[in-house]
Amino acid sequence: NAGVTQTPKFQVLKTGQSMTLQCAQDMNHNSMYWYRQDPGMGLRLIYYSASEGTTDKGEVPNGYNVSRLNKREFSLRLESAAPSQTSVYFCASSVTTGLNEKLFFGSGTQLSVL
Amino acid sequence: RKEVEQDPGPFNVPEGATVAFNCTYSNSASQSFFWYRQDCRKEPKLLMSVYSSGNEDGRFTAQLNRASQYISLLIRDSKLSDSATYLCVGPGYNQGGKLIFGQGTELSVKP
Repeated sequence: NAGVTQTPKFQVLKTGQSMTLQCAQDMNHNSMYWYRQDPGMGLRLIYYSASEGTTDKGEVPNGYNVSRLNKREFSLRLESAAPSQTSVYFCASSVTTGLNEKLFFGSGTQLSVL
Repeated sequence: RKEVEQDPGPFNVPEGATVAFNCTYSNSASQSFFWYRQDCRKEPKLLMSVYSSGNEDGRFTAQLNRASQYISLLIRDSKLSDSATYLCVGPGYNQGGKLIFGQGTELSVKP
């Protein structure tokens, strides 16, 4: 099993460009998440999806859209990238959104917006 | 005030030392917390869960103090391989109880 797979691993964008970060999990988990990590800030939740067909905003959703394509895949889209979106992005999944659930993370995407 | 707050460190300790980190939280209704370990900006991995009175796993002990609203992580007999960033995670009341990460505490264990 691959676990949680994110693509791409690295990306450089110019301000105003758009892109989609892809995430897929093969553990049959119901819940999926997108986080960003900035120096000194820990991980901040952007969006999450409790189950296929549902999505909800997290702590920092502005400037992002998500799509839960099916149970396996949860994509994050930047419609018009800004330098403030330079960050490391992590996708994660868990069986449910219960507070006792272990999160499984992808290896991350390092995004730079110039 | 952040909902989950940690001392970012860095904590520099010699091999074999005992080191403790604290993490404070704002949501007084919280009942479950976690410690994750993160190496060099790689993905975080679950280290320990913390419920009620605490949890122990080998050299690692995690405790919850509800009265003072903090959790702690104690590492005994530190190894070089313990060098990492330790992330405290707990429920946030501003996000419908969704898990909130602290900013992380950096530990460096020296020979």
